[in-house]
Amino acid sequence: KQEVTQIPAALSVPEGENLVLNCSFTDSAIYNLQWFRQDPGKGLTSLLLIQSSQREQTSGRLNASLDKSSGRSTLYIAASQPGDSATYLCAVSVTGGFKTIFGAGTRLFVKA
Amino acid sequence: DAGITQSPRHKVTETGTPVTLRCHQTENHRYMYWYRQDPGHGLRLIHYSYGVKDTDKGEVSDGYSVSRSKTEDFLLTLESATSSQTSVYFCAISEAPSGTGYEQYFGPGTRLTVT
Repeated sequence: KQEVTQIPAALSVPEGENLVLNCSFTDSAIYNLQWFRQDPGKGLTSLLLIQSSQREQTSGRLNASLDKSSGRSTLYIAASQPGDSATYLCAVSVTGGFKTIFGAGTRLFVKA
Repeated sequence: DAGITQSPRHKVTETGTPVTLRCHQTENHRYMYWYRQDPGHGLRLIHYSYGVKDTDKGEVSDGYSVSRSKTEDFLLTLESATSSQTSVYFCAISEAPSGTGYEQYFGPGTRLTVT
């Protein structure tokens, strides 16, 4: 059974710091991995999607990497800002199916 | 932002009453999903639809039913609400199944409290 774990559950950093959020999954048979951002009381906003054949994706200050063999993905945020404060979730889609498995998220707080 | 709305946005209901949540999309995407989000559990799939009148169960479908009579609308019904169904419910859409290369787009959520 696929399980997705995100560590740490919460993280507080000063503004300007570069940071890494971690996501691990137990079954390497995934089709893709997606990182989302969720603001309090809001829905999920897609940040980056990495296909299983890809190693990384970049968007602005965000870079996501994928290592299927080790069951890991990281989301790198450069020069963090208070506006980056949110919960970040990763989700893996199972090959050939309709199932997307979500991690519980990392709650990030960037202090001004 | 993808055109997805959910109604109601907030609802308080009593145990044993029926509840219907609505998801409406303007993107003409074929696939629609209902998730629930609970602290410590992430999002879990309740039901999904792969076309009009075509639906199937997800991992936490007990106590829920769905219907899709039009491409743009996907309804989630709690036949007899229980306190364990207190949660935040999210609708999502995608152009292709979530197990392929297409992103899922999420609605704003419905906060349901069952007293």
